[in-house]
Amino acid sequence: EPEVTQTPSHQVTQMGQEVILRCVPISNHLYFYWYRQILGQKVEFLVSFYNNEISEKSEIFDDQFSVERPDGSNFTLKIRSTKLEDSAMYFCASIRVRGQYFGPGTRLTVT
Amino acid sequence: AQKITQTQPGMFVQEKEAVTLDCTYDTSDPSYGLFWYKQPSSGEMIFLIYQGSYDQQNATEGRYSLNFQKARKSANLVISASQLGDSAMYFCAMREGTGNQFYFGTGTSLTVIP
Repeated sequence: EPEVTQTPSHQVTQMGQEVILRCVPISNHLYFYWYRQILGQKVEFLVSFYNNEISEKSEIFDDQFSVERPDGSNFTLKIRSTKLEDSAMYFCASIRVRGQYFGPGTRLTVT
Repeated sequence: AQKITQTQPGMFVQEKEAVTLDCTYDTSDPSYGLFWYKQPSSGEMIFLIYQGSYDQQNATEGRYSLNFQKARKSANLVISASQLGDSAMYFCAMREGTGNQFYFGTGTSLTVIP
């Protein structure tokens, strides 16, 4: 069964550095999402992406964040200048009509 | 107002018993979808079940069923015949209308007792 994949599984970076989190959604899905989950807290919506452009974004998704689908398969989240409070699990997800499927997540640690 | 409310931070259930995890939602959009996810201690998010606002019947997926009460705006997850592997966090989520934003509840931690 097709799965959403994410790389890396764990990323450690220094404050102020740029990070790129990568995702390969399920191939026939059309909508893609990024979420974050700070340890022990609920899942927070960041951004949705459809037809090669941002469909919706939350207040969290400020100018430090950007998303791209550089080719037909990869979907990336870039954080330009990481802050300590960006430390979280970042999930990618893709959706078909009656289900949304998450990747295994990337744990980002900002030191 | 919260879009999704899960009022049970923690629940315990005896193995092989059924358990209901509560979820209420708030929307004025007549078209919406409700989702339940399981998050074990390993951290992944596992999609369990979906209910559309126009679905005539309650959704079922194996041991999972959704008790959908539209007038009360509730979408409770029922797990039948609980197993030790069901111990996890459970999140309820909603997608409104044609929007592409999802709203998650704060989750319920379920512990299955042998």
